[in-house]
Amino acid sequence: AQTVTQSQPEMSVQEAETVTLSCTYDTSESNYYLFWYKQPPSRQMILVIRQEAYKQQNATENRFSVNFQKAAKSFSLKISDSQLGDTAMYFCAFRRGTSGSRLTFGEGTQLTVNP
Amino acid sequence: GAGVSQSPSNKVTEKGKDVELRCDPISGHTALYWYRQSLGQGLEFLIYFQGNSAPDKSGLPSDRFSAERTGGSVSTLTIQRTQQEDSAVYLCASTGRGFSTDTQYFGPGTRLTVL
Repeated sequence: AQTVTQSQPEMSVQEAETVTLSCTYDTSESNYYLFWYKQPPSRQMILVIRQEAYKQQNATENRFSVNFQKAAKSFSLKISDSQLGDTAMYFCAFRRGTSGSRLTFGEGTQLTVNP
Repeated sequence: GAGVSQSPSNKVTEKGKDVELRCDPISGHTALYWYRQSLGQGLEFLIYFQGNSAPDKSGLPSDRFSAERTGGSVSTLTIQRTQQEDSAVYLCASTGRGFSTDTQYFGPGTRLTVL
């Protein structure tokens, strides 16, 4: 079974600064995907970024980037130039490489961006 | 295009009553997932539908929970004889071709409160 751990229940950052959210996972799979989802108070779970395990290059999406350390089973999310709209709960998630596999989520990190 | 929609947005019911929660996936998506998000258990997988294949029901917590998907599109999650521990946000996701196949896109959820 897979497990995903987010050890930071809450974090805060000043607007325009950079923040990094941590995530570790445990799996015996060799083919898998990792995701960061954002859940604002509206409850809508929004995909932020994804990483294929077979790719060595870290994924980036505008202000969001990941540091994927496969050997260490670590998958952190860096948010640059933080904006007030980034305030949300952030979930790290794992999915096996098999089509149709369920997502396994971490506990979440509540990020607050302060003006 | 339209995203995943869920109804109702909020549902308050009395213990022992049955409830039905509805999910409309993104048009053309063949796979549909239900998850439950509760304070004590975090985000948990409930059930997965893929086309006309038999659903993966392995995440359903008890036989009071059931789900169906009619015509390969709309899905209904039914909880019979609701209990207070069923109070949670129920999220639906469908699989489409965003970054690539199998990225799950979520609806806004239904918040269920059992009194």
